[in-house]
Amino acid sequence: RKEVEQDPGPFNVPEGATVAFNCTYSNSASQSFFWYRQDCRKEPKLLMSVYSSGNEDGRFTAQLNRASQYISLLIRDSKLSDSATYLCVVRLYTGGFKTIFGAGTRLFVKA
Amino acid sequence: ETGVTQTPRHLVMGMTNKKSLKCEQHLGHNAMYWYKQSAKKPLELMFVYSLEERVENNSVPSRFSPECPNSSHLFLHLHTLQPEDSALYLCASSQDGQGATNEQFFGPGTRLTVL
Repeated sequence: RKEVEQDPGPFNVPEGATVAFNCTYSNSASQSFFWYRQDCRKEPKLLMSVYSSGNEDGRFTAQLNRASQYISLLIRDSKLSDSATYLCVVRLYTGGFKTIFGAGTRLFVKA
Repeated sequence: ETGVTQTPRHLVMGMTNKKSLKCEQHLGHNAMYWYKQSAKKPLELMFVYSLEERVENNSVPSRFSPECPNSSHLFLHLHTLQPEDSALYLCASSQDGQGATNEQFFGPGTRLTVL
């Protein structure tokens, strides 16, 4: 089983739609969780951290479910500029910290 | 210059060539990383340096050789590569190599093609 697993998509949604991605992780020693965004042929950039209580940043909401070992990202009122690959990132401690990236979920928002 | 820069942005090399990738960070960070990104695969961590010491090496073939002369610069020396080494090589930096919250800032990457 992969340490961090994401649906590769692509998710094709119209502008204004709400879309959600899930990401599952296998190691219960996982401590910190993040969503990064990677535009086509660009580098990944941090979108938001994911806190235990859930957190919101404008149209983006991130949730963590430790019992089921998954995190989610919800995007409301999708914009064309949201088209990108969304990378789930998990940081775990196994004698030292280790960061693991998921393969990403591709999102296309269409007019 | 701001952020993390990488040179060259594109590189084509033969299997017998020797080349080096360069990364420089202007963020005052203490940790630097090399990642390999192949199509439709997760980023693969290759090397981690914290305070100029290598702290992680994820079973990377010896044809990849990192060098970290100071906390702002990181090199990846390449020799006798294989075509399957063709990928995007990303450099990243973070405030430190440890700690639960460890936002990494990435450079634009070097797209490497091995013929």
